[in-house]
Amino acid sequence: GENVEQHPSTLSVQEGDSAVIKCTYSDSASNYFPWYKQELGKRPQLIIDIRSNVGEKKDQRIAVTLNKTAKHFSLHITETQPEDSAVYFCAASLLYSGAGSYQLTFGKGTKLSVIP
Amino acid sequence: NAGVTQTPKFQVLKTGQSMTLQCAQDMNHEYMSWYRQDPGMGLRLIHYSVGAGITDQGEVPNGYNVSRSTTEDFPLRLLSAAPSQTSVYFCASSLGRTNEKLFFGSGTQLSVL
Repeated sequence: GENVEQHPSTLSVQEGDSAVIKCTYSDSASNYFPWYKQELGKRPQLIIDIRSNVGEKKDQRIAVTLNKTAKHFSLHITETQPEDSAVYFCAASLLYSGAGSYQLTFGKGTKLSVIP
Repeated sequence: NAGVTQTPKFQVLKTGQSMTLQCAQDMNHEYMSWYRQDPGMGLRLIHYSVGAGITDQGEVPNGYNVSRSTTEDFPLRLLSAAPSQTSVYFCASSLGRTNEKLFFGSGTQLSVL
């Protein structure tokens, strides 16, 4: 099955700096890579996702990059703010061209702390 | 829309007891799933369903049963609770029959003594 490794497990940055979280996956067939943000005591929420036919995707201060050859993908947060403090999870899955998908495998999470 | 609703929010069980965690969604989502979250372990898939009458096992299915008699509801049953099942349980759903763009419920904190 798929295995997703996520690094670092904790990350502290000064407000306004950038944060980068990296993930590697084992199954070269995986083609869908979402990122979820979980604030303390809350539910995980999707913040950005990317499919393998795209190398990079941006949404305001958040971007995800994908390197299929190396089987790794990264989350980049620029101009960090205190409200970015949370646990971030990467995940990988195989979406079939029709309906259906293989199970979504999550990394173990990165606790990001943004220091004011 | 209420989204994905889970009940109860908290539950304490004794070893050997059984119970059902409820999950309901009002978004007409085909895909529903159950995850457990343990410290330092991320989210692990227990069971999932791609539509009414269809269920399948995830990564950690032992000790849990599911059924999907309607599109809206996807209950998770603990047959005989064990301390190892102490965890936070999340139900999640998505439009279509894939796990793309999951919406999570607010979670159930379960303690088994």
